[in-house]
Amino acid sequence: DAGVIQSPRHEVTEMGQEVTLRCKPISGHNSLFWYRQTMMRGLELLIYFNNNVPIDDSGMPEDRFSAKMPNASFSTLKIQPSEPRDSAVYFCASSLGGTNTGELFFGEGSRLTVL
Amino acid sequence: AQSVTQLGSHVSVSEGALVLLRCNYSSSVPPYLFWYVQYPNQGLQLLLKYTSAATLVKGINGFEAEFKKSETSFHLTKPSAHMSDAAEYFCALAERGAQKLVFGQGTRLTINP
Repeated sequence: DAGVIQSPRHEVTEMGQEVTLRCKPISGHNSLFWYRQTMMRGLELLIYFNNNVPIDDSGMPEDRFSAKMPNASFSTLKIQPSEPRDSAVYFCASSLGGTNTGELFFGEGSRLTVL
Repeated sequence: AQSVTQLGSHVSVSEGALVLLRCNYSSSVPPYLFWYVQYPNQGLQLLLKYTSAATLVKGINGFEAEFKKSETSFHLTKPSAHMSDAAEYFCALAERGAQKLVFGQGTRLTINP
């Protein structure tokens, strides 16, 4: 079975450019999470969706970040305009029934470098 | 507020030695607790979880963890380290009824030959 699929795996861009990260969750999972991982701050939950509806976006750093989930099989995380401090690995994860089941299935991440 | 503290950002053991990775938590209600492992350039995968059944939980790859309410701890152990155990390990907490998973800062485990 295919796991969580993220694209691109690596992105290098210049400050001010728009960045779009994409995620395809595991088929049948109804919860989707976006995390950011940096050396300084560790793993941070940015936003999560349940049944395609954003439930908690309190972790989104600022208005430059936005996330959408137009259907059950696709989500995007957009940064516009990007800044060097946005450089990080962004993970998408999905689960069946939310984290109370304990098992989040993570993608391999999108490593973003903003110059 | 709920939080997870992992003691030691880096742990180094010899192959065949005991592995002990420490995790303490803070939560206003009895939590669910998890250990995840991250291999280089990969996402995280679940090692084991505590959801209020047995306090000693066994996971994959020979790892186990014990929930100790009196100590608010959930330490991860493995009797004999293997080179393939080298990775970063994350302790995490979820409050019952909540969907958010809060992660600790991670502990990088190095195995010496």
